[in-house]
This record gives sequence, C-alpha cells and structure tokens, in this order.
Amino acid sequence: DSGVTQTPKHLITATGQRVTLRCSPRSGDLSVYWYQQSLDQGLQFLIQYYNGEERAKGNILERFSAQQFPDLHSELNLSSLELGDSALYFCASRGRDRDGYTFGSGTRLTVV
Amino acid sequence: LAKTTQPISMDSYEGQEVNITCSHNNIATNDYITWYQQFPSQGPRFIIQGYKTKVTNEVASLFIPADRKSSTLSLPRVSLSDTAVYYCLVGDGGNTPLVFGKGTRLSVIA
Repeated sequence: DSGVTQTPKHLITATGQRVTLRCSPRSGDLSVYWYQQSLDQGLQFLIQYYNGEERAKGNILERFSAQQFPDLHSELNLSSLELGDSALYFCASRGRDRDGYTFGSGTRLTVV
Repeated sequence: LAKTTQPISMDSYEGQEVNITCSHNNIATNDYITWYQQFPSQGPRFIIQGYKTKVTNEVASLFIPADRKSSTLSLPRVSLSDTAVYYCLVGDGGNTPLVFGKGTRLSVIA
C-alpha cells in the first residue's frame, strides 16, 4: 500500500458518458498529479494541483477536468467519453520539493 | 526539462547484475536524476535519486559521472520479480511535473 488511494479500481462505461475518478493522497502531501497511460503509450501527464489550486496542465483534453478539495483529495472528471479514452489513470502525490512521487494503483477505465 | 535517452529494452538472466544507462546531455545545474520502476498495471514506484557521484540504497545503486550527462542504474543480482519498465527522469524537483518517456523494459529470464 503506497498510501495513495484511488477509486474505483475498475470502471466500464459507454461512449458519451461521464465518470469521476477519485484520489486520496498520502497523509500530508499537498501536491496531486494525474497521469494517463494507454496501451503501448507512456505515462502522459494531465494536470497537477497543489493545496487546492491548479499548478500545471499537461495534455489534458477539454472534456476532462479536475479539482482538489480542502481535504486534499482530488477528482478527475472525464466527460463525453470516447473509445480512445480507455486507459489506466494514475494519481500521484508528493510532499516536499525533490521528494519522489508516490503513485496509486490506478483506475482502469474501459469505454465500450 | 532535460530530455533523456535510454535503451528500449534489455534482457538479463537471474542472478546477474543489470546496468541501465540513461543519457541526459542537456541536464541543468539544478537538475536531479530520478529512476522509477513500473510493473504491468501498477503505478510507477520511486527507486532512487541522485545529483552526482554514487548513491546506493537497499534496492539499487545510481552512478553519475562528473559531467552528469549520463547516469547508470545498477540492479544487483536481479530476479524474475525485477522484470519491469524502468524510467529515467531529470528535473529540478520543483514545480515542473515529471515527464515520463518510454522507459527501458527489462526482462529477467530464469
């Protein structure tokens, strides 16, 4: 158990639907990062939050959005889902600068 | 962010020492070198981080030459359970998020 909790572990949904992925960072970690990993693709950075505020944006589609709540958990919202959105979605948290990232076990999203 | 280049794949027999080299020719003065390990369908796991010379922990060693333009991750006496993808990343550890490349797929054979 890395200390980063992601729910649900698996999600199957239809095209056009909307889903929400949840991440609870390690206790005390203020930074949360979201990554997407498709088959045969590397880890693609989506978005970062720090203590409730958006800090950096990567290759995140307009159909996707995220937020970090006062209790520091984060949610990634994916809407108008397409088959190509099927992937593993990882959340990571970090404490201080130069600390390593701690990743969760991911949410496997399958769009059918 | 400094770009890194590492072999796409490597094979090794159990019990051997494995060295994975990463090139980062345009590493900046403030950059650190960090390695992660990822098993299939799992999130990456931090292995080791260093700035210069040699760093060793219970899992691996990291060798960084004086010019810091490359680094070598050394895994002593690998086992089948070390089969994974290994990522080399370079960054200053500040606000810029980590950008993962393709990594090196290590296959350990019995």
